[in-house]
Amino acid sequence: QVQLQESGPGLLKPSETLSLTCTVSGDSSSSYYWTWIRQSPGKGLEWIAYMSWSGNNNYNASLRSRLTISVDTSKNQCSLKLSSVTAADTAIYYCARRGVGLWYFDSWGQGTLVTVSS
Amino acid sequence: QSALTQPASMSGSPGQSITISCTGTTSDVGNYDLVSWYQHHPGKAPKLIIYDVNKRPSGYSNRFSGSKSGNTASLTISGLQAEDEADYYCCSYAGSTTVLVFGGGTKLTVL
Repeated sequence: QVQLQESGPGLLKPSETLSLTCTVSGDSSSSYYWTWIRQSPGKGLEWIAYMSWSGNNNYNASLRSRLTISVDTSKNQCSLKLSSVTAADTAIYYCARRGVGLWYFDSWGQGTLVTVSS
Repeated sequence: QSALTQPASMSGSPGQSITISCTGTTSDVGNYDLVSWYQHHPGKAPKLIIYDVNKRPSGYSNRFSGSKSGNTASLTISGLQAEDEADYYCCSYAGSTTVLVFGGGTKLTVL
């Protein structure tokens, strides 16, 4: 049974860079993509980016210019950095798993709340 | 504004059936049989309940079913139970450029 655990700073100021990490335990084979998804207050879900252990990745075009993603296979972690944050980036950030060639998320973390405020 | 349109809220009594709609376009829901649905109890991890329009993950309740007609996908919950009270989100593949779109979510209240 795979488990995903997100970690992040909780609170940061406008213009700072958000750094998030998803730690995967259990089934972490190469058959999956690890995806970041967020939920802003009162809004729906938005996919941010996905990445594989082998370095294949893709970004939401609307966030691409501010995003950097990376993986650390030795720690079973995937990370995301979002630069120049604003209040609009306040959200719960989730890490989720989808199979290669599949377009649904069969495992999710509980999410980490990120608040951007001065 | 989310790419897929869902009713913001719905309610039903125990034992009843309800259907949540998810309306997209010919670029997403209408073009791919790749719609998934998620149940989310706030504070917990979202849970996959339907994938590829109408498939259920193994072991998941058959009270949940999915369908699609044109640009609209639907999630039907039959025999409503108190524990079904949650937020429900739809998601669709939308091609290689947009990739994925979600609905705004539907808050289901079991009266």
